Parts: sequence; structure tokens; C-alpha cells
Amino acid sequence: EPEVTQTPSHQVTQMGQEVILRCVPISNHLYFYWYRQILGQKVEFLVSFYNNEISEKSEIFDDQFSVERPDGSNFTLKIRSTKLEDSAMYFCASSTTRGGQDTQYFGPGTRLTVL
Amino acid sequence: GDSVTQMEGPVTLSEEAFLTINCTYTATGYPSLFWYVQYPGEGLQLLLKATKADDKGSNKGFEATYRKETTSFHLEKGSVQVSDSAVYFCALRYNNNDMRFGAGTRLTVKP
Repeated sequence: EPEVTQTPSHQVTQMGQEVILRCVPISNHLYFYWYRQILGQKVEFLVSFYNNEISEKSEIFDDQFSVERPDGSNFTLKIRSTKLEDSAMYFCASSTTRGGQDTQYFGPGTRLTVL
Repeated sequence: GDSVTQMEGPVTLSEEAFLTINCTYTATGYPSLFWYVQYPGEGLQLLLKATKADDKGSNKGFEATYRKETTSFHLEKGSVQVSDSAVYFCALRYNNNDMRFGAGTRLTVKP
């Protein structure tokens, strides 16, 4: 069964450094998403991406964040200058359509630790 | 704004016990409702979903019914197993890309 994959599984970085989290969505999906889950808190929507541009973003997704689909398979989340509060589990997801009935399929997550 | 509220955990049950995890939602329209499960060390997996009122989603012995009158989508299973130990998330979604999750309920099933 096709699945969303993410790398790395765990990333440790120093405050102020840039990190890139990588995702490979399911191959025939057209919509891509990033969510984050701070330890012990809710899973929160960050951004959605379609047709090579951001379609929606939350207030969490400020100027330090960016997303890109550099080729036909990868979908990346970049954090330019990490802060301690960026420490969280980051989940990538994908879906075939934008419709509310459609299922978003999630990857296993990347745990980001900012020291 | 739209939100999902789940019963707080952790929930600890013995094997073969009956499980209910409550989920209620606040929404201005008629969202689709989902239950996701997160097994230890893994990502979020769709467990079941319902897209309109009175629909029942079911999978792996779990069930949830979309109740518009009570704005609820409670998860139930008649007989839990140790392998059901995980964190369960209730979520809602409209025709957009923003899925709203509950806080998650950790379930531990003891043999």
C-alpha cells in the first residue's frame, strides 16, 4: 500500500540554524500538507500546497517557514532560523483532492529538537 | 472557531473491555469527521471517517456515528486488545485543507 515517507526521523539542531524536513507524498496525490505537534499538545495545521504554490496557511506559518516541491516527488519544509519553541513532531500529509471528504494520509513524522 | 474536544486521557482498560472515547465538535457548517490512531513510534493513521450526519464509520472493530444533534463522534469498540494501545485523535475537516484535531486520548490496554 502506498505511504507517505519522511526523513529524517529525528533532527537535532542548534537554535538559529536552518533545517529542512523532507517528505515524499503518495505518488498520485496532488495536495500536500505540513502539520506539527508540540509534545503533549494538539496536532496543528501549518500549510497546504497545491500546483506549486501555497493554498492555505495558518498563523503559525510565519516568514521563517517555507515549503517547496523541488522535484516531482519531494515536498520540503524549511525553517530558516530555528527557535526553541520550534521543537515538535512535524507531520507531512497528502491527499488526492481538496474536498473535505477526502482522506489525508500522514507520514510517520520528523521529530525536531532545537537546543 | 471550529474545534474538536476529546475526553482527556489516559484511559487504561483490561483486555476485552468496552471502549468509549468521547469526541464533540464545534463547527459552523457540516464538516467531515475522522478518527486517526497513532501507534507508538509511528505516524497518524486513518482509523475511520464519516462525511455526513448519521453516517457510521467502522474499521478493525471500531465504530463512530456522526451525530449532528449532539455534535458528537464518539469512538467505540466492543472488546479491546493489547494491540489497540495507542493515541486516538478525533478530527474535523471542511472543504478546505485545514484539518482540526483534538488533543488526543492515550489508550493503554492491559492483558
